[in-house]
Amino acid sequence: GDSVTQMEGPVTLSEEAFLTINCTYTATGYPSLFWYVQYPGEGLQLLLKATKADDKGSNKGFEATYRKETTSFHLEKGSVQVSDSAVYFCALSKGANNLFFGTGTRLTVIP
Amino acid sequence: KAGVTQTPRYLIKTRGQQVTLSCSPISGHRSVSWYQQTPGQGLQFLFEYFSETQRNKGNFPGRFSGRQFSNSRSEMNVSTLELGDSALYLCASSFQFLSQADTQYFGPGTRLTVL
Repeated sequence: GDSVTQMEGPVTLSEEAFLTINCTYTATGYPSLFWYVQYPGEGLQLLLKATKADDKGSNKGFEATYRKETTSFHLEKGSVQVSDSAVYFCALSKGANNLFFGTGTRLTVIP
Repeated sequence: KAGVTQTPRYLIKTRGQQVTLSCSPISGHRSVSWYQQTPGQGLQFLFEYFSETQRNKGNFPGRFSGRQFSNSRSEMNVSTLELGDSALYLCASSFQFLSQADTQYFGPGTRLTVL
């Protein structure tokens, strides 16, 4: 079945460090891919998305490229800030508004 | 435009009771989905409603049910609560159904604790 495998956390980085959170997926067909972020005590917010192969999603300095050949959608940011501390979820959708989520990666950025 | 709202934000119940959670989608959105988030199982899809009809259902027992009203507001109900039902219940809305590219917008969730 469809699934998402996400890099285990937690991840702790110093401010201004480079961030990569790995995400790979298993799905038939051509899913859309998403990164959501969850700040403490809040629901999920869409960070970025890509709907077809080779698309690059970007937002707030975060980027991810839909790589069909490696079935991956890794999240990157060149310089993290303390305010980026949150839990990040990779997800895929094949329609019917049913998202399959990864297990989440907790990021802590220290000053 | 107001976001997705969920009420109540926190709820404490005892085993065997039932509970109803409410979700108001973003204005103009007609699809509402529900998810359960627990530390052990992560985020799991419960069901989706569109135009007052359940269109899609996850792998949960029949104790979990829901409905959608003509104004797109949705409720979910859990009967005969078990300790394992303690979770954050998230509601998400989107404009249309069966569009994999459509973005779902999440509410802040209802934290249910079963004692």
